[in-house]
Amino acid sequence: NAGVTQTPKFRVLKTGQSMTLLCAQDMNHEYMYWYRQDPGMGLRLIHYSVGEGTTAKGEVPDGYNVSRLKKQNFLLGLESAAPSQTSVYFCASSYLGRSNYGYTFGSGTRLTVV
Amino acid sequence: AQTVTQSQPEMSVQEAETVTLSCTYDTSESDYYLFWYKQPPSRQMILVIRQEAYKQQNATENRFSVNFQKAAKSFSLKISDSQLGDAAMYFCALGDDMRFGAGTRLTVKP
Repeated sequence: NAGVTQTPKFRVLKTGQSMTLLCAQDMNHEYMYWYRQDPGMGLRLIHYSVGEGTTAKGEVPDGYNVSRLKKQNFLLGLESAAPSQTSVYFCASSYLGRSNYGYTFGSGTRLTVV
Repeated sequence: AQTVTQSQPEMSVQEAETVTLSCTYDTSESDYYLFWYKQPPSRQMILVIRQEAYKQQNATENRFSVNFQKAAKSFSLKISDSQLGDAAMYFCALGDDMRFGAGTRLTVKP
């Protein structure tokens, strides 16, 4: 069972570079999310999607863009990376509503911006 | 706005003993869900237990149980017969927005 797959698992970027994180789920979930995890701050929601072709801002959206062209994929883009975006990024998905049954998480991407 | 507070950054427990992790929250909703997630060193987020606010009965999953006090907006996690594999970060989360607390790092001593 693949569940939620994130690629890459690790990445080092230079300030100003761009990159895209890919999240793929094979559970036919409608809802997908991107979080960032920073020490002492838990997980904070960046953007989310309630279905193919839809996206919405979460708690900390600045500096990020997302796209959901296919139901199974949710992409997170950094157009011009900054050191403040050094973090661990998690993708998650859910089926019935945003939180009714909890989320299935990917294994995370550790991003370092130097 | 919904908020979740975990006031214990770190906790430790002796193997086979019981430990309780605290979580308080604030929401204006009357019906909502609460969760505890475990994050071991592998970084994978694992759902431990889920509580529906309209249910007065506390949720239980094997050695994990919660003490849900709706009026006090408190949602603590009790781990009984602690095992070495329980060592992890534990996050309390509040839905619909799935707001997470800052986490509690649990150490289990052999």
